[in-house]
Amino acid sequence: AQSVTQLGSHVSVSEGALVLLRCNYSSSVPPYLFWYVQYPNQGLQLLLKYTSAATLVKGINGFEAEFKKSETSFHLTKPSAHMSDAAEYFCAVTDSGAGSYQLTFGKGTKLSVIP
Amino acid sequence: ETGVTQSPTHLIKTRGQQVTLRCSSQSGHNTVSWYQQALGQGPQFIFQYYREEENGRGNFPPRFSGLQFPNYSSELNVNALELDDSALYLCASGGEETQYFGPGTRLLVL
Repeated sequence: AQSVTQLGSHVSVSEGALVLLRCNYSSSVPPYLFWYVQYPNQGLQLLLKYTSAATLVKGINGFEAEFKKSETSFHLTKPSAHMSDAAEYFCAVTDSGAGSYQLTFGKGTKLSVIP
Repeated sequence: ETGVTQSPTHLIKTRGQQVTLRCSSQSGHNTVSWYQQALGQGPQFIFQYYREEENGRGNFPPRFSGLQFPNYSSELNVNALELDDSALYLCASGGEETQYFGPGTRLLVL
């Protein structure tokens, strides 16, 4: 069974500071990994995805994530936080080639950006 | 803009009632999935439909059922509503490498 652990339910950073949101996964087969962002009262927007190509993945809004198989991690980073980055972020995993595209999500990390 | 729309946006029901939520997904995406997101939690997979057949189900009871239609639209039906069914219900279309989510329907059960 797959699982996703997001360390820190709430992260606060100052505007302009580095953003680091942690995600560790468990999967018995090579995974596909995703980061989604959710703004208040909205659905999920895809930030970036890893699907077994380059291990360093660049996404929208200046975010990137690195797949580290040895650490079973897929941490999300952004060099400089903007006020507009304040939202909830979800890491998700699915089994590659499983036929059913079920996403297993972490519990989310709420990012606050302090002016 | 993901091309996935859901209706209604909000809904209030009472315990024991039945509800139908609707989703319209992008043309060409023949897979649709439904997720339940309780307050303060990550989304939980309910089930998935591929070419109008159920193709995977999460840990949800049979009173959660669905349909997918040839025009890529989909329905989620929930019978005998319980208070714990209060949540944001998300529809997603796409495939293995990318799933696009709609804005969700917020259901409140009183």
